[in-house]
Amino acid sequence: DVKVTQSSRYLVKRTGEKVFLECVQDMDHENMFWYRQDPGLGLRLIYFSYDVKMKEKGDIPEGYSVSREKKERFSLILESASTNQTSMYLCASRPGLERTDTQYFGPGTRLTVL
Amino acid sequence: GDSVTQMEGPVTLSEEAFLTINCTYTATGYPSLFWYVQYPGEGLQLLLKATKADDKGSNKGFEATYRKETTSFHLEKGSVQVSDSAVYFCALRNSGYSTLTFGKGTMLLVSP
Repeated sequence: DVKVTQSSRYLVKRTGEKVFLECVQDMDHENMFWYRQDPGLGLRLIYFSYDVKMKEKGDIPEGYSVSREKKERFSLILESASTNQTSMYLCASRPGLERTDTQYFGPGTRLTVL
Repeated sequence: GDSVTQMEGPVTLSEEAFLTINCTYTATGYPSLFWYVQYPGEGLQLLLKATKADDKGSNKGFEATYRKETTSFHLEKGSVQVSDSAVYFCALRNSGYSTLTFGKGTMLLVSP
């Protein structure tokens, strides 16, 4: 089974802190994604990566950056956390670039910024 | 651009009732269509998918048929259980290089 793990299930940070959310997948997938999920807004794509050291902006990249130094790991960075970044963050991976590929999600990190 | 529209929830049903969650899409070309489910406190997991017109995806008693003529991919289950209570997301991918386009999700609440 594909496994996507996220470093924390719950995280509480203070405004202005630098926050790292880590995601690891164990199936040698090429592509990885970060989403945030908010009530009434559904899932919104923040950043994604099709290969090591590559990154692409999603729909809402402002206030975030990412790092992919190794194929299995994709990190989301909040440079200076703000209260409007309180949300559920979901990481996902996908094996290749077929239209039919299944995308696999991690369990999510619920981040609260005080 | 591509878009997915789902019925708004919550959908509230009694156990053993019939379920339909509507999903329609707008896309050029021939997208693949997906239903994902999110149980409380968890991430999303694939429920079923269909990759071409008239395909039927099925899993755990759920079914959905890819209808190109009506651009729809409605999710159905003949007899829901309390354990089916979750949020259901319809999604599409239009090409290999595309990211998934999600609907906003529909919450299903099943009572005993």
